[in-house]
Order: sequence, then C-alpha cells, then structure tokens
Amino acid sequence: EAGVAQSPRYKIIEKRQSVAFWCNPISGHATLYWYQQILGQGPKLLIQFQNNGVVDDSQLPKDRFSAERLKGVDSTLKIQPAKLEDSAVYLCASSLAGMFEQFFGPGTRLTVL
Amino acid sequence: KNEVEQSPQNLTAQEGEFITINCSYSVGISALHWLQQHPGGGIVSLFMLSSGKKKHGRLIATINIQEKHSSLHITASHPRDSAVYICAVNLPNFGNEKLTFGTGTRLTIIP
Repeated sequence: EAGVAQSPRYKIIEKRQSVAFWCNPISGHATLYWYQQILGQGPKLLIQFQNNGVVDDSQLPKDRFSAERLKGVDSTLKIQPAKLEDSAVYLCASSLAGMFEQFFGPGTRLTVL
Repeated sequence: KNEVEQSPQNLTAQEGEFITINCSYSVGISALHWLQQHPGGGIVSLFMLSSGKKKHGRLIATINIQEKHSSLHITASHPRDSAVYICAVNLPNFGNEKLTFGTGTRLTIIP
C-alpha cells in the first residue's frame, strides 16, 4: 500500500515570495492534516480536512496561509507571502475517518531567506 | 505549559545500552502514540497505546493511565535507532482524532 506522498521535499525561497506544497493521502483516508514543525519543536496542526470540508483551521494564519482539498483526495497548502518565521518542515498526514492513528508523509522542508 | 512533556530532551548512549524515554501528560486522553522521526523529516508511528504494554522487536512501550505517564524502552540499542522520538496524545477536548505532540527526545547511539 502506498504511503502519504508529498512534494516538493525541499524548497528555498526569499521572503515575500509565494510557495505551494502538495499532498496525496493514503487511498481511502477521509481525514487529512497539515502540520508545521519548527526546528526543535513538535508538529503543530495547521488545518484538518474531513473529505473536502474543513474541520479545524483555528491555528492557520489565514492572512498568509491557505489550503484546499477540492475533490476530497489531494490537498495543497499555500503560503503567500512567506516570512522568515515560516521556515519549517510541513508535514501532511492522513487517517481513516474517526481513527486515532495517523500516517505521515516525508514532509517538505521550507527555508525562507 | 505544554500538555505533553518529554524527558530527556537529548540522550546520548553507547551501542547496546538500554534506553528509556519518558512522557507525561496533564489531562485525560483517548490514546497515546510514540512516533519516530529521522533527520529527513518523515514521521513513523511506532506504537499506539490506551493501556498496558506493547512490544515490537527491541522496542517496548508502557503506559500508566492513573499516573498519566508513558515510557518507551529500547533494548540493545543500535546506531540506526538514532532519531527523534515524539510522544503524542489524543485529547478528547479537541476531538478524538487530533494529536497534541511533545517536543521530542533526540536520541544518539554511538557505535
């Protein structure tokens, strides 16, 4: 069974530029999560989708971050414009609806210069 | 104060040593997870516990619900065990599926 796929794996941009990350969850997983992990910290939930609906985006900085999951499968996370403090690993995870166990992708390491 | 506390933050040991990483949490939980994160960034789930003890190979995880404490043990440690180990819990207050993470324990095993 294929795992959670993310791309790109690495991205370097300058501040004020835009960037987008892509996630393809495990087939059949209705729930999809985006996390931000700053160096030395645990992951922080940015947004949770159930199919194509948003369940929780309370910690998403909506002035610059946006995310969508239009067909309830793939998802994109966008940052526009990026700030230095956005440098982090962005992790995507998926789970079966209502299940505790989450499966994580390899992450995208973003560096904002 | 973080709802999930791990100790130690960093741990260096010689190959073959018995390793213990601790996790404490402050409220009732639905489940507790031990995760492994290698330098590349990806996270792998090692265990999910709601009571008792689980074993997989050289890894053992225990949880004491009354004391709100869990431990991850590694027997006969090996350099390939070097990684960050993260404790995470499902807090019912936030909805069952959501995870709250500790800050991780960076383990380095020296050959």
